[in-house]
Amino acid sequence: AQSVTQPDIHITVSEGASLELRCNYSYGATPYLFWYVQSPGQGLQLLLKYFSGDTLVQGIKGFEAEFKRSQSSFNLRKPSVHWSDAAEYFCAVVTGGGNKLTFGTGTQLKVEL
Amino acid sequence: DSGVTQTPKHLITATGQRVTLRCSPRSGDLSVYWYQQSLDQGLQFLIQYYNGEERAKGNILERFSAQQFPDLHSELNLSSLELGDSALYFCASSVGAGGSSSTDTQYFGPGTRLTVL
Repeated sequence: AQSVTQPDIHITVSEGASLELRCNYSYGATPYLFWYVQSPGQGLQLLLKYFSGDTLVQGIKGFEAEFKRSQSSFNLRKPSVHWSDAAEYFCAVVTGGGNKLTFGTGTQLKVEL
Repeated sequence: DSGVTQTPKHLITATGQRVTLRCSPRSGDLSVYWYQQSLDQGLQFLIQYYNGEERAKGNILERFSAQQFPDLHSELNLSSLELGDSALYFCASSVGAGGSSSTDTQYFGPGTRLTVL
């Protein structure tokens, strides 16, 4: 079955430092991959998505992600983290019939000032 | 603001009761999805409707049901509520029906937090 793994449950970085959140997927065909962010008490906001083409995708708020088929990964990066980036980040893949999203367990990001 | 609206924002009820959650999709979107977010299960897909018809089903309990109306809004009905049903319920919408080659993108509402006491 298709699945998404986010190995890091919690990550703490200092403001201004670079960030990389890991996401690994298990899917037979070319996956459609997404990163969403959930701020405390808020809904899920789409950061970026990958369907095909250029493996480095740019998103909102200065985030980018790179699709690496050989590593089955879709890691999220940001060169300089801001305190407002503190939130929970979810990687997801479209699976099955319809348009079902299968989510990872999320990575909680804490930003130290 | 994603354009997806959900009401109510919070709901507190007792075990055994029945509640209805409402979702209005973004203008132009024909698909509505329901997801449940709980501490022990994470984010789980429940069900998808496309233009009034059920399109895909996930781990939705028999006590739960949903429908999509002609004006495309959707309702999720939860009955015989148990403590374990306490969760954040998200609605999402997208333009198309999805499928193996779909590049559809889902946009999420702010969620309804259900507390069962």
